[in-house]
Amino acid sequence: AQSVTQPDIHITVSEGASLELRCNYSYGATPYLFWYVQSPGQGLQLLLKYFSGDTLVQGIKGFEAEFKRSQSSFNLRKPSVHWSDAAEYFCAVGAQTGGGNKLTFGTGTQLKVEL
Amino acid sequence: SQTIHQWPATLVQPVGSPLSLECTVEGTSNPNLYWYRQAAGRGLQLLFYSVGIGQISSEVPQNLSASRPQDRQFILSSKKLLLSDSGFYLCAWSVPTPAGNTIYFGEGSWLTVV
Repeated sequence: AQSVTQPDIHITVSEGASLELRCNYSYGATPYLFWYVQSPGQGLQLLLKYFSGDTLVQGIKGFEAEFKRSQSSFNLRKPSVHWSDAAEYFCAVGAQTGGGNKLTFGTGTQLKVEL
Repeated sequence: SQTIHQWPATLVQPVGSPLSLECTVEGTSNPNLYWYRQAAGRGLQLLFYSVGIGQISSEVPQNLSASRPQDRQFILSSKKLLLSDSGFYLCAWSVPTPAGNTIYFGEGSWLTVV
């Protein structure tokens, strides 16, 4: 069974500082990997995804993530954080099963941005 | 472009009452549809998914059921709500492609069982 670990429950960074959110996954084959962001009381917005090919993927809002198979990781990065980036971030791994694609989510990392 | 609508946005229901959350997708055909639940302080749990009309797969045994009466309509129901059913419910859709399968979420429905 697949699983996702986000080891940091809360992270606080200063506006303008760089950001890295960690994600480790467990999956028996090549995974589909995703990062989503959730603002309070809202649904999840897709930031970026990795299916295959270039292991460094670019997303919206200036985010990027790098797939490292040897480390089973898919960490999310942003060079300069903006106050509006404060939200909860979820990493997810997908599996193709029976024609559907079921995502397994990590428990999320709450990002706080200090002005 | 594709859009997903989910309602009601907020619901307060007494224990033992029925539940119906509805979700519709526009701008696509034959989507895979999903219901997730997000309990306070926890991650997202997949409850049901559907790859076609009348085809429902349940991921966890629970007090809830799902139905797909039309191609782009997905309904989450309960005959008698429990306190533990409180949470944030998210409908989602995807369309599988050879390159992969990306899931997109609705805005969610807050359910409080009192």
